[in-house]
Amino acid sequence: DGGITQSPKYLFRKEGQNVTLSCEQNLNHDAMYWYRQDPGQGLRLIYYSQIVNDFQKGDIAEGYSVSREKKESFPLTVTSAQKNPTAFYLCATSGAQTYGYTFGSGTRLTVV
Amino acid sequence: QQQVKQSPQSLIVQKGGISIINCAYENTAFDYFPWYQQFPGKGPALLIAIRPDVSEKKEGRFTISFNKSAKQFSLHIMDSQPGDSATYFCAVTGGYNKLIFGAGTRLAVHP
Repeated sequence: DGGITQSPKYLFRKEGQNVTLSCEQNLNHDAMYWYRQDPGQGLRLIYYSQIVNDFQKGDIAEGYSVSREKKESFPLTVTSAQKNPTAFYLCATSGAQTYGYTFGSGTRLTVV
Repeated sequence: QQQVKQSPQSLIVQKGGISIINCAYENTAFDYFPWYQQFPGKGPALLIAIRPDVSEKKEGRFTISFNKSAKQFSLHIMDSQPGDSATYFCAVTGGYNKLIFGAGTRLAVHP
C-alpha cells in the first residue's frame, strides 16, 4: 500500500525544546517537501529536497532544519529558534516524471 | 511575490447550488494547473487538474475552466453538497517543478 506516513499525528513541545517530525514514503518519489499551515491559512513552504543528500530552503526556513539521507525519508526538526511553532505540518512528495504532489496526513504541533 | 491569486477567501453556498472559485496567475510558462481539496485535520488531496492545451475539464460534478489569454482558471462545483465543505487550493507549476499554491478558499455548503 503506497503512500506517505507522517508521525506522530499530534506532538507537544515545551518551550526551548527541539522536536523532529517524521515523513516516510514508499512511492519511490524523488522530491519531498515540508509545508506549514496555520489555522485558516494557506500552505507555506519550509524546505524541499529534489534528490538525496540535497535540499533547499523554502519561504519560511528560519528555525527549521531537515536532512535527506535516504530517498524514503525527509525528517523535519523544529528548533528552539522557531518562536511560533504551533501549526499543522504537512509533508508531500512528487515523482521525477509526474506533476502534482501527494500529501501525508499531517502532524499537529502544539507548544505547551 | 504572489504568483497565483485565489478568490474568494471564503464561500457559502446552499445545497444544490454552484460553487465557483477563481485563480489568476502571472507566469505564462506554467503548464499544469491542479486543484486540491482539504478536509479539516487532513492533508490536501488532488481533486482535478488541467493543462493549458484544453479550455475545460470535467470530472463528475467538478469542472475546471481555463482561460489561457486571461491567465485565469476556475473550479466549478455543480450541485454542491454538504460533503463538499472543505478548503480548496489552486496551484500552478511549470515543468517538473515545485507547485505554487493559492491562499485557499473555505467552502461551506449549507443544507
